[in-house]
Amino acid sequence: GAVVSQHPSWVICKSGTSVKIECRSLDFQATTMFWYRQFPKQSLMLMATSNEGSKATYEQGVEKDKFLINHASLTLSTLTVTSAHPEDSSFYICSAPLLGPDYEQYFGPGTRLTVT
Amino acid sequence: KQEVTQIPAALSVPEGENLVLNCSFTDSAIYNLQWFRQDPGKGLTSLLLIQSSQREQTSGRLNASLDKSSGRSTLYIAASQPGDSATYLCAVTGTASKLTFGTGTRLQVTL
Repeated sequence: GAVVSQHPSWVICKSGTSVKIECRSLDFQATTMFWYRQFPKQSLMLMATSNEGSKATYEQGVEKDKFLINHASLTLSTLTVTSAHPEDSSFYICSAPLLGPDYEQYFGPGTRLTVT
Repeated sequence: KQEVTQIPAALSVPEGENLVLNCSFTDSAIYNLQWFRQDPGKGLTSLLLIQSSQREQTSGRLNASLDKSSGRSTLYIAASQPGDSATYLCAVTGTASKLTFGTGTRLQVTL
């Protein structure tokens, strides 16, 4: 099946710093990727849709100036958490649909962010 | 706005039992429904995908059904094993390929 990777798998940073998380589709091209956030013992919540060649679209309540998304190529999307605070500590997961909405989406392994 | 609910929130069964996990969704305009497994601190493992035109899918000891008109899906696990212990998530695909995830069922299979 299709493979999506994320880097890093975990990161610890100090409050006020910025952190970049990469999501790559390894064996297919993805014009669209999705970013999710998961707090402990909760389900995944969609944060934003990353669109290659255009601006990301954010879900209601997600601060676009805090969570910067760049879809630089057909295989790479990055999420930058700017001026991170402890409440941003979470599990961040990306996904990419192989084809259209009728088809399975492939998920990255996730990135555990801890802000101290 | 699509809402996806899973019942029960947690379940503990002895090894060997058959069990059913439930998923319900409020908007029947979906492309498909997926069941995932998530181990603690890990990412998602896709188990089954049911297209909106399908009624069920099977993979090994797993069987998932979909009743789109009533907004319900079930995941049936036969002959449960301790290795099945995990959180199970259902998710529906709506417009623009967006997934809405359910609240999850934490399953523990005991020896």
